[in-house]
Amino acid sequence: EPEVTQTPSHQVTQMGQEVILRCVPISNHLYFYWYRQILGQKVEFLVSFYNNEISEKSEIFDDQFSVERPDGSNFTLKIRSTKLEDSAMYFCASSEGELSVDTQYFGPGTRLTVL
Amino acid sequence: AQSVTQLGSHVSVSEGALVLLRCNYSSSVPPYLFWYVQYPNQGLQLLLKYTSAATLVKGINDFEAEFKKSETSFHLTKPSAHMSDAAEYFCAVNNNAGNMLTFGGGTRLMVKP
Repeated sequence: EPEVTQTPSHQVTQMGQEVILRCVPISNHLYFYWYRQILGQKVEFLVSFYNNEISEKSEIFDDQFSVERPDGSNFTLKIRSTKLEDSAMYFCASSEGELSVDTQYFGPGTRLTVL
Repeated sequence: AQSVTQLGSHVSVSEGALVLLRCNYSSSVPPYLFWYVQYPNQGLQLLLKYTSAATLVKGINDFEAEFKKSETSFHLTKPSAHMSDAAEYFCAVNNNAGNMLTFGGGTRLMVKP
């Protein structure tokens, strides 16, 4: 069964460093998403991406964050200068169509630890 | 704005007992509602979803949920708990006509032998 994959599973970085989290969505999907879950808190939406542009973003997704689909398979989340409060589990998701019709499938997550 | 409240951050049941996980939502438009399950060290897996068709929705592993508009609820049930059902369960609602999911705080289900 097709699945969303994410690498790395765990990333440790120093405050102020740039990190790139990688995701490979399901191959025929057209909508891509990033969510995050700070330890002990709710899963929060960050951004959605369709047709090579951001379609929605939350207040969390500020100028420190960016997303890119550099090729036909990868979808990346970049944090330019990490802060301690960026430590969280980051989930990538994809769907074939819009939420009204299709399911969002989630990857296993990347645990980001900022020291 | 949409919101989801899951009553009970931890629920413990005995194996074979009824599972009831509560979810109440707030939405200014007819909602789409979802239940996801997260097993340890895994991602979120869809259990079931309501998208304005039948109000009683059946999902995987004998889970089901009923959409009750008058109560703004979408509680998840399973007639008989298995040890393998121990996991964290998240209720979610979509935003207005968009693709963003708003999640509840999650309920950790523990199943006692």
